[in-house]
Amino acid sequence: KQEVTQIPAALSVPEGENLVLNCSFTDSAIYNLQWFRQDPGKGLTSLLLIQSSQREQTSGRLNASLDKSSGRSTLYIAASQPGDSATYLCAVESDSWGKLQFGSGTQVVVTP
Amino acid sequence: NAGVTQTPKFQVLKTGQSMTLQCAQDMNHEYMSWYRQDPGMGLRLIHYSVGAGITDQGEVPNGYNVSRSTTEDFPLRLLSAAPSQTSVYFCASSPYRRGNTDTQYFGPGTRLTVL
Repeated sequence: KQEVTQIPAALSVPEGENLVLNCSFTDSAIYNLQWFRQDPGKGLTSLLLIQSSQREQTSGRLNASLDKSSGRSTLYIAASQPGDSATYLCAVESDSWGKLQFGSGTQVVVTP
Repeated sequence: NAGVTQTPKFQVLKTGQSMTLQCAQDMNHEYMSWYRQDPGMGLRLIHYSVGAGITDQGEVPNGYNVSRSTTEDFPLRLLSAAPSQTSVYFCASSPYRRGNTDTQYFGPGTRLTVL
C-alpha cells in the first residue's frame, strides 16, 4: 500500500529565505505527483503536477523535483514571502483511476 | 466559471441523522471525487466517479453513498451520521484520461460536526 510522508510537519522561516519542502512515498510505481497549497479554512489549490516521466516542473518561484527511484519529491520556493504562509500538501497518483494518496502536509510560516 | 462549488459550508448534525453534501462543477469534467480531511492526517478518498452513472469506492467508503446522474453533480450522502464522521469534506474534479489524470480542482470544503 502506498504511503506518503511529509517531514517536517511545521516550518518557520524569515522572509527572503528559500523554502525546501520534502515528500517521500513508498511505492515508486506512480503516474504523477502533485503539490497543493491549502490556506486556513479553504480548499486546495494545485501548484505543480509532475508526470512520472518528468524530473521537475517550474512555475515562477516554485520548482518541484521528482526522483521516483528513491521515492522522493522536493518543492523549492525561492525568496519566501509572508504570503507563502500556508500548508503544503503532496499527493501521488498510483493507479489509473485518478485516486490521490496525500501526505499529511507541512505547515509553513514566513515571518516578516 | 464557478469551478467546484460545495454546499453547505458548515453543518451540525446529531448522531443518526442523515444528510447530503452537495458538489457541482461547471468545467465539464468527467472525473469527480470526495475526500475527507481530519486533523493531523492527509486527505483520504471516500468515493470517486469517472463519469455519469459510474462510481466506485475509495479508501474510507463506509457510512457514505454516492450517485452520479449528471456530469455536473456528485452528491455525497451520509446515511446515519456518527461522531467519527466529524471532518472537513472536499469535492474535487478533473478532466479524465485513464492512467494520466490532469490537475484536480478542489472545492472550498464542507465542515461537518456530528454530535
